[in-house]
Amino acid sequence: GAVVSQHPSRVICKSGTSVKIECRSLDFQATTMFWYRQFPKQSLMLMATSNEGSKATYEQGVEKDKFLINHASLTLSTLTVTSAHPEDSSFYICSARPFSGTVGEKLFFGSGTQLSVL
Amino acid sequence: GDSVTQMEGPVTLSEEAFLTINCTYTATGYPSLFWYVQYPGEGLQLLLKATKADDKGSNKGFEATYRKETTSFHLEKGSVQVSDSAVYFCALSERNSASKIIFGSGTRLSIRP
Repeated sequence: GAVVSQHPSRVICKSGTSVKIECRSLDFQATTMFWYRQFPKQSLMLMATSNEGSKATYEQGVEKDKFLINHASLTLSTLTVTSAHPEDSSFYICSARPFSGTVGEKLFFGSGTQLSVL
Repeated sequence: GDSVTQMEGPVTLSEEAFLTINCTYTATGYPSLFWYVQYPGEGLQLLLKATKADDKGSNKGFEATYRKETTSFHLEKGSVQVSDSAVYFCALSERNSASKIIFGSGTRLSIRP
């Protein structure tokens, strides 16, 4: 099946620094990519939807200046956590949808990134 | 708003045991329901789905039935294997939503040989 590569799988950084997470679709082109975060024992929460070549759409309560999303090509989206703070420590996961595909069924996920901010 | 509540883990079972992971949902419309599975070190992948009431989704020996009257979509398997050890996520999407999937918090399942 289709593969989505997410990198890094784990990152530890100091408070105030920025961290970039990459999400690549390896064998298909993704018009749309999604970014989620998950706190311990809580649901995966959709943060934003990114469409290639246009600005990301952020969910209510997600700071767009804090979580910068770039979807510059049909196979790559990046999430940058700017000026990270300990409360940003979380599990971040991306997913990608090919050109053709219904919601839920044709949605491929990366393996996630565990971010720890000291 | 819409939400999904699932059984809190971890769940530990012996091989060949019967598995049930409970999932209930709250939705204003008529959602589609999903179970996703995440094996260690891998991304989430769709395990099964049901798009309307009384539909039964099945895959790899797992089953779940869309119960509108109880707003539930419990995951079951008659005889689990060690290879079923993973995290299982229940999820829904509204029919008129182009992209939004709402997930439960996940249930970690460990199977002892």
